[in-house]
Amino acid sequence: DAGVIQSPRHEVTEMGQEVTLRCKPISGHDYLFWYRQTMMRGLELLIYFNNNVPIDDSGMPEDRFSAKMPNASFSTLKIQPSEPRDSAVYFCASSPRDEQFFGPGTRLTVL
Amino acid sequence: GIQVEQSPPDLILQEGANSTLRCNFSDSVNNLQWFHQNPWGQLINLFYIPSGTKQNGRLSATTVATERYSLLYISSSQTTDSGVYFCAVPFFAGKSTFGDGTTLTVKP
Repeated sequence: DAGVIQSPRHEVTEMGQEVTLRCKPISGHDYLFWYRQTMMRGLELLIYFNNNVPIDDSGMPEDRFSAKMPNASFSTLKIQPSEPRDSAVYFCASSPRDEQFFGPGTRLTVL
Repeated sequence: GIQVEQSPPDLILQEGANSTLRCNFSDSVNNLQWFHQNPWGQLINLFYIPSGTKQNGRLSATTVATERYSLLYISSSQTTDSGVYFCAVPFFAGKSTFGDGTTLTVKP
């Protein structure tokens, strides 16, 4: 398996633009997680899915953030409109149950 | 939720030295993971270790669940070991709590 795949790896956008981050989990993993990592706040869990269903989105910072998982092999995290304080590395991880496997991350810069 | 504390927060070593990183957690856990975040930002799985001891090359980990701690040993450290080491424990329905990490710098 290729591991968790994320795209794009880097994204630079201007404030107010819509940003969509993509993730392909490891095949057969029932859980998918979206994390955000910043120097100030460390690694934060934004939302996670079990069998494509969102279970806990309490970490989503505000309504500008939304996540979907239309099928077992694809998830998106959308920010609309983006703001400079959204600049961070966004990780996707998947898990068969407890052990998590992380993707390479998307480094987002909002100017 | 479970509290996870890692120590030390920072560690500087000379190449070839050994080190021990510690992870304490506040409640019983069924499993625990150690990750290495390298200087390029990649989060790499090191160990999935609910209890007991595992070894992988120069690295080994021991979890004593009854005493609520885990140790990561790095022997004969190399500059490529530099980065941040995180432990994480799941606590509810798939969610995990991460420690704040130990930043390791190995000098040549």
